[in-house]
This record gives sequence, C-alpha cells and structure tokens, in this order.
Amino acid sequence: NAGVTQTPKFQVLKTGQSMTLQCAQDMNHEYMSWYRQDPGMGLRLIHYSVGAGITDQGEVPNGYNVSRSTTEDFPLRLLSAAPSQTSVYFCASRKPQGPGELFFGEGSRLTVL
Amino acid sequence: SQQGEEDPQALSIQEGENATMNCSYKTSINNLQWYRQNSGRGLVHLILIRSNEREKHSGRLRVTLDTSKKSSSLLITASRAADTASYFCATAGAGKSTFGDGTTLTVKP
Repeated sequence: NAGVTQTPKFQVLKTGQSMTLQCAQDMNHEYMSWYRQDPGMGLRLIHYSVGAGITDQGEVPNGYNVSRSTTEDFPLRLLSAAPSQTSVYFCASRKPQGPGELFFGEGSRLTVL
Repeated sequence: SQQGEEDPQALSIQEGENATMNCSYKTSINNLQWYRQNSGRGLVHLILIRSNEREKHSGRLRVTLDTSKKSSSLLITASRAADTASYFCATAGAGKSTFGDGTTLTVKP
C-alpha cells in the first residue's frame, strides 16, 4: 500500500516557467489537499478538494491551479513560477468520515530561480 | 493566519527528560490533532483528541485539551534522541486542516 505519492521529489525552475506537481493516493480518500511549507514555518493550505470535480481555495491559492478529475489524483499546477514559490510542497489525503487524520506524501522541493 | 500556534518554537532537552509543547487555537473545534515531522519528511499523525475529551494517552504521549482556553498540550515522557523532530498541532474543518508553526524538539543523547 503506497499511501500518498508525490512526484517529482525535487525540481528547479526558472522564473516564468510552468510545471505540475503530481499527487496520487491509493486509499480511496475523498479529501485531498496541497500545502506549502516554508523554512521554519508550519503548513499553509493552497487548495483542497472534497471529491472528484470539486475544488476550493485555501489560505494561499494565488499562482496555483488544481483540478480533480479522479478520486486518486490531485495535481497542482504552477502557472508562471516566481521565486516566492520556492518551498516544499506537501500533498495530503483523508477519509471524509471520521476524525480527520491526514496522510501525507513525502514532499516536493521546488526552487524557482 | 494560522489556526494553531505552538509554544515554545524550539525546545532542547536531555534524553530521559519530559518535553511539553503547547498549542493555542482560535475557533471552535471538533477535534485537535498532533503531528510529527522528521527533518525533510512528510508529517505523521500522532494522536487526536476530541472536543469532549480532556486528556488522552498513547504510549509515551499525553495530550490535554482545554476548550475554555482554546489550548492543548502535548507531553512526551522519557524522551529519546529519536524523538528529535518538529511537532505540529492541527484543527480539522470541512475538507481542510489548519496547522500551527510547530515546535522543534531536540533531544540530546
């Protein structure tokens, strides 16, 4: 059971480039979310989804786009990368029922030059 | 702003000592959760306490919750070097969870 899988683990972009961070889970979780973590800080919510076809903005959504066409996948798109988007990105999922324990991927480290 | 705020930001103790971390939150909650993050890794769920509970134990972990003060504490007893990590509290709402900035715990052998 792989859990939550994020790719790539590391990525370097130039300002203005676009890219997609992939997230897949095999636990049949309805809820998925993307966070960013800057050095010495906690996690800030970018976007989340409560099921296929449904997405919503979190605390810091600007510059990011998401879609949820399947239960398993929740990609995060950077439309035009900026140095301020240099961060570690975490994808997480959880069941809709129950207390809300999140299962996290191992993170994607993004550097924007 | 973050829903939860941890205190202290950093804590350094000797192996065998107890470590206490505190978390404050702003809105009403159904439950509060604590997570651990080893350096460079994803977060791992440690323990959950419901709003109608005051204290919960799991192994060497003890969590308390005071809803009147909107605060929680995480106690790690008889700490080990392997407990060195960052610890975060989180509150869960509809479809999303909100995290504090965390406490970085260093346990010296």
